[in-house]
Amino acid sequence: DAGITQSPRHKVTETGTPVTLRCHQTENHRYMYWYRQDPGHGLRLIHYSYGVKDTDKGEVSDGYSVSRSKTEDFLLTLESATSSQTSVYFCATTPSHTSNTEAFFGQGTRLTVV
Amino acid sequence: QKEVEQDPGPLSVPEGAIVSLNCTYSNSAFQYFMWYRQYSRKGPELLMYTYSSGNKEDGRFTAQVDKSSKYISLFIRDSQPSDSATYLCAMRLPSGAQKLVFGQGTRLTINP
Repeated sequence: DAGITQSPRHKVTETGTPVTLRCHQTENHRYMYWYRQDPGHGLRLIHYSYGVKDTDKGEVSDGYSVSRSKTEDFLLTLESATSSQTSVYFCATTPSHTSNTEAFFGQGTRLTVV
Repeated sequence: QKEVEQDPGPLSVPEGAIVSLNCTYSNSAFQYFMWYRQYSRKGPELLMYTYSSGNKEDGRFTAQVDKSSKYISLFIRDSQPSDSATYLCAMRLPSGAQKLVFGQGTRLTINP
């Protein structure tokens, strides 16, 4: 267990409201990632971080922002939630960008936008 | 067209059968190839990891990579009911952050 905690685990929110999901890790891993998982698409990268205050966009970043003020915390914000953002969100971490390094995943946050 | 294609199944086989799961990909620059296993309502867990082409074996599991064909496979021998899960192939480039590109996942059920 890589010590990744996602909160909340489940959330229902209304269209147009902002939502923040939190990922907390206890492994001091440098890299952190947010993925979303949808039927027929597998997991797709939303944003990632390569250090405190260093973030970059992934494949499906529109409508999302992230922040990383501490090594252990990576926040994902849906600025104005839409029904298309109903999904399961996974946080992942890796200790470095070198080869043969496993990505560890959290348990997921199930978000429903109504 | 998706960068990584995986048959989503579902796939249902009897206990003890040999299972073959496959992915194709389009980006020849991918160098690291992985198989993740995901149980229901859980996060993915790394099952097998292969660099470049070749085979890798771990117990009942064998991963194969054929870069010339842009094709990867996972074989499960003597399948068990506990192997019932969704299997996701993933791959990434050799440098930079470990941004994984996933297939759609195959839901596998092993029937006792």
